Amino acid sequence: GAVVSQHPSWVICKSGTSVKIECRSLDFQATTMFWYRQFPKQSLMLMATSNEGSKATYEQGVEKDKFLINHASLTLSTLTVTSAHPEDSSFYICSQLAGGETQYFGPGTRLLVL
Amino acid sequence: GENVEQHPSTLSVQEGDSAVIKCTYSDSASNYFPWYKQELGKRPQLIIDIRSNVGEKKDQRIAVTLNKTAKHFSLHITETQPEDSAVYFCAASITGNQFYFGTGTSLTVIP
Repeated sequence: GAVVSQHPSWVICKSGTSVKIECRSLDFQATTMFWYRQFPKQSLMLMATSNEGSKATYEQGVEKDKFLINHASLTLSTLTVTSAHPEDSSFYICSQLAGGETQYFGPGTRLLVL
Repeated sequence: GENVEQHPSTLSVQEGDSAVIKCTYSDSASNYFPWYKQELGKRPQLIIDIRSNVGEKKDQRIAVTLNKTAKHFSLHITETQPEDSAVYFCAASITGNQFYFGTGTSLTVIP
């Protein structure tokens, strides 16, 4: 299957700082990427759909100015958590579509905001 | 938007027994239903999927059934093994445009 990487895998930051998470497809070109947030022992919550070359589509309740998504190329999408606060601490996972509907997930990024 | 419910939230079975996890969805336009297995701290992995033009699909010990009229679909794992222990998520999608996940089922297979 397709290979998706995320960087960093772990990040700890102070409250008020911004954190950028990268999601890369290593062996294919993805026009559509998804960003999810997963709290401990909970489900994956879709945050936004990222399309290459256009603005991301955010799910209801997700602040677009808080979670900035840039999908500048077919192999890279970034999520920036701006002015992070402790409640933003979570597991952030990206995924990419390959072959129509098949979704491949990145390994996730654990964010801890102190 | 789509609302996906999943039951049970936890499930324990003896090794060799079967496990069944059920999901319902609300949007009749959803036509693609994948199931994912997620081990602790790892990424979800697709284990089986079904499209709305099919009522049942099987892959070795894993099967999925879909009832479009009732808007529910189920995952069946037969001859369970300890390595099947994980959290399982169902999801619903309209041809790959947004995926909405169920709340997850933590499956424990007791040796």
